[in-house]
Amino acid sequence: TQLLEQSPQFLSIQEGENLTVYCNSSSVFSSLQWYRQEPGEGPVLLVTVVTGGEVKKLKRLTFQFGDARKDSSLHITAAQPGDTGLYLCAGAMRAQKLVFGQGTRLTINP
Amino acid sequence: NAGVTQTPKFQVLKTGQSMTLQCAQDMNHNSMYWYRQDPGMGLRLIYYSASEGTTDKGEVPNGYNVSRLNKREFSLRLESAAPSQTSVYFCASSPQGLFSGNTIYFGEGSWLTVV
Repeated sequence: TQLLEQSPQFLSIQEGENLTVYCNSSSVFSSLQWYRQEPGEGPVLLVTVVTGGEVKKLKRLTFQFGDARKDSSLHITAAQPGDTGLYLCAGAMRAQKLVFGQGTRLTINP
Repeated sequence: NAGVTQTPKFQVLKTGQSMTLQCAQDMNHNSMYWYRQDPGMGLRLIYYSASEGTTDKGEVPNGYNVSRLNKREFSLRLESAAPSQTSVYFCASSPQGLFSGNTIYFGEGSWLTVV
C-alpha cells in the first residue's frame, strides 16, 4: 500500500491544455515536495510547501498544500511539450523519512 | 558543478555476486541517502545517514549494507545479489535532515540488473 497516492499515474494531453495532478494520503506531513524527473536523470526539486493551505506558483505551475497537510495538487496551465516528464510528490515525515508517491508520467503532445 | 556523483552508471550482476555502489557529494551536506526506484513504486528509502558516523535503515533495507566513509562518501553494498534487486538506485544528499523539508539533491542514478 502506497502511503502517498498520486493520480493519475499516466496523462497524455495536447499542447495548450490545462491539467492537474493529485497527491493524497491519510497521513499528515510536515512538508510536501514536488519533483520532476527526466529520463536517465535523478529527480529535481520543483517546490516545497510547508504550511496548510499554502499555494506556490512557478511560472505556469501552481502547487497547493491541503489545509490538513495530507494532500497536494500540481496544476499546469497551457501545457507545453517541455513539461513532459515524471512528476513525483514526496512528503516529509519524522525520523528522516521522505515518502514518495508512485509518480505521474506526463506527456504533452505538440 | 558535480553535486552528487554515483558510480557505476550501469551494472549487470549474476545472482549471488556482490558489488558496491559508490556515492560522493561535494556540497558539504550532513545527510545522505540511498533510494531505489521501481516502476509504479516511486522511490523507496533503503538506508540513510543523518550525519557522518551514523547510518539507519529505511523502508527496504534487507539485502543491503551501507558505509558512511566520511562526510562526502556514502556507499551501498549488495552482499549476494538477487533478481529482486534489479532496480535503479539513487544516492541523494541534503544539508540537514528531511523532517524540516530541506532540499534533497539526487545523483543521476545507477541502473543495476541482476540475472
